[in-house]
Amino acid sequence: KQEVTQIPAALSVPEGENLVLNCSFTDSAIYNLQWFRQDPGKGLTSLLLIQSSQREQTSGRLNASLDKSSGRSTLYIAASQPGDSATYLCAVRPDTGGFKTIFGAGTRLFVKA
Amino acid sequence: DTGVSQNPRHKITKRGQNVTFRCDPISEHNRLYWYRQTLGQGPEFLTYFQNEAQLEKSRLLSDRFSAERPKGSFSTLEIQRTEQGDSAMYLCASSSPSDLEQFFGPGTRLTVL
Repeated sequence: KQEVTQIPAALSVPEGENLVLNCSFTDSAIYNLQWFRQDPGKGLTSLLLIQSSQREQTSGRLNASLDKSSGRSTLYIAASQPGDSATYLCAVRPDTGGFKTIFGAGTRLFVKA
Repeated sequence: DTGVSQNPRHKITKRGQNVTFRCDPISEHNRLYWYRQTLGQGPEFLTYFQNEAQLEKSRLLSDRFSAERPKGSFSTLEIQRTEQGDSAMYLCASSSPSDLEQFFGPGTRLTVL
């Protein structure tokens, strides 16, 4: 059974700091991995999608990496800003032929001005 | 592209009542997903549609829950005889045929009194 874990559960950093959020999954047979951002009481905003054949994806100040063999992904945020404060979620779609997506519980990020 | 929309945004109901939520996916997205999210947790997969066909259902989707997508466009999620444990955010997402990146709506927050 695929399980997704995100560490840390919460993180507080000063503005301008570079930071790394971690996501681990128990079964390396995945189809893709997607990172999302969620503001309080809102839906999810897609940040980056990494296919199983890819090692990383970049968008602006965000860079996501994927290491399937070790069951890990990281989301790197450069030069953090107060507007980056949100919960970051990673989600894995197992490579089982189905369409179920499994989410981690998220990392709550607070960037202090 | 107006994004995924969900209605209503908030629903308060009494235990035992039936409720129905609607999701309008991004136009031309043939894949549609429903999730449930409780406080502090990541979304949990409920069900998946490809066009009008419901291809996958989670065991979380008890016999009180039913979802439809009659014409392959919008979808409805109905909960019969609501229980307090049904209180959660219900999220809808869609993706295109060629790209499995999921785009989420703002969610419907259900409170069962």
